[in-house]
Amino acid sequence: QKEVEQNSGPLSVPEGAIASLNCTYSDRVSQSFFWYRQYSGKSPELIMSIYSNGDKEDGRFTAQLNKASQYVSLLIRDSQPSDSATYLCAVHTGRRALTFGSGTRLQVQP
Amino acid sequence: DGGITQSPKYLFRKEGQNVTLSCEQNLNHDAMYWYRQDPGQGLRLIYYSQIVNDFQKGDIAEGYSVSREKKESFPLTVTSAQKNPTAFYLCASRQGVTEAFFGQGTRLTVV
Repeated sequence: QKEVEQNSGPLSVPEGAIASLNCTYSDRVSQSFFWYRQYSGKSPELIMSIYSNGDKEDGRFTAQLNKASQYVSLLIRDSQPSDSATYLCAVHTGRRALTFGSGTRLQVQP
Repeated sequence: DGGITQSPKYLFRKEGQNVTLSCEQNLNHDAMYWYRQDPGQGLRLIYYSQIVNDFQKGDIAEGYSVSREKKESFPLTVTSAQKNPTAFYLCASRQGVTEAFFGQGTRLTVV
């Protein structure tokens, strides 16, 4: 079982819709969780961080964490074509390293 | 400005040659990481270091070596034992359990 798993996509949504990205992780002692956005050929940039159960909102982005289910998600409201990118889930695991999922490619159709 | 600097941006390696990728940070972060990214794939952990003079193997350490003699610097050497080194290499640093900050990456190609 991979430490961090994501659906590779592509996830295609129309402009203005809500995009929902999901991530599961295997290490129960994981402490912190991150969503990064990566455009082709560029380095990842942080979108959201979340450390405790529940929802965290920042503008059009909402991160949701459920430690009991070992599940973290990212919702993007009012999706824009500029949101088209690969979204990487990252988890701080028990071995004290930051482990990434394989990423979900999001396509927002104008 | 605080940040992470990777150099060079592009690097070409001949068969059987060792090459070293540079990573320097001025964020005063304790932890530093090296990741490899292949086309259409996620980031795979090569090596990481939590403190000066100490480092741990990640998931794909074979054919790579690192050193951490200074807090600011974490160079990665791609040795001739790495048979398929063509990839995008990313260096990152972080403090505690907070987010990681990334450099701009080095694109390595075997010629």
